[in-house]
Amino acid sequence: QVQLQESGPGLVKPSQTLSLTCSVSGGSVSSGPYYWSWIRQHPVKGLEWVGYIYYTGSTYYNPSLGGRVTISADTSENRFSLNIASVTAADTAVYYCARRGNYGGTLDYWGQGILVTVSS
Amino acid sequence: DIVMTQSPDIVAVSLGERATINCKSSQSVLYTPNNENYLAWYQQKAGQPPKLIIYWASTRESGVPDRFSGSGSGTNFTLTIDSLQAEDVAVYYCQQHYRSPPYTFGQGTKVEVK
Repeated sequence: QVQLQESGPGLVKPSQTLSLTCSVSGGSVSSGPYYWSWIRQHPVKGLEWVGYIYYTGSTYYNPSLGGRVTISADTSENRFSLNIASVTAADTAVYYCARRGNYGGTLDYWGQGILVTVSS
Repeated sequence: DIVMTQSPDIVAVSLGERATINCKSSQSVLYTPNNENYLAWYQQKAGQPPKLIIYWASTRESGVPDRFSGSGSGTNFTLTIDSLQAEDVAVYYCQQHYRSPPYTFGQGTKVEVK
């Protein structure tokens, strides 16, 4: 059974960088054919796919975030990370890490989520 | 991006009755080479992450009760919950997973007990 767990600060100041980590157990971020993903859920805008890192190391970032996103993986620790630069209040959301699995772009395993608030 | 629109926003159904949720995509999510519709449904209960319940528009994820069914093709899809149970109270989201990202979600439909 794959399990994911997000960690990181729950409060980030405007213009700073939001940094989150997702620890994976029961599976490996370096084995295919999985895409390790970040999804966020706004109170009003709903669910938004932020991006993912493939087991090969290739990445995809949603253009809606304007080039502010970086996703990386640490295979020795079996975890992957999200950085969003120059955050504003619009980045306030619950952030989930998830695995894009075997059925196209569906997400079959999710972390519990972490609320990140952008405020001074 | 493909825009996903769900209706209605809220469905109130008596226990044991049927709940129906509609999802419309701004362009077809039918991939003709394999004749699969790249449409998924998720269930999100309060305080929990979304849970995948249906993919390829009509295939139930392992362990999902058979009172949940998906149908539709192209741009119009339906999630049906037959004989609503109390544990089915949740927000349901459709998601298109057609070919290339970004894979977009509908705004959600809340299922309540009348």
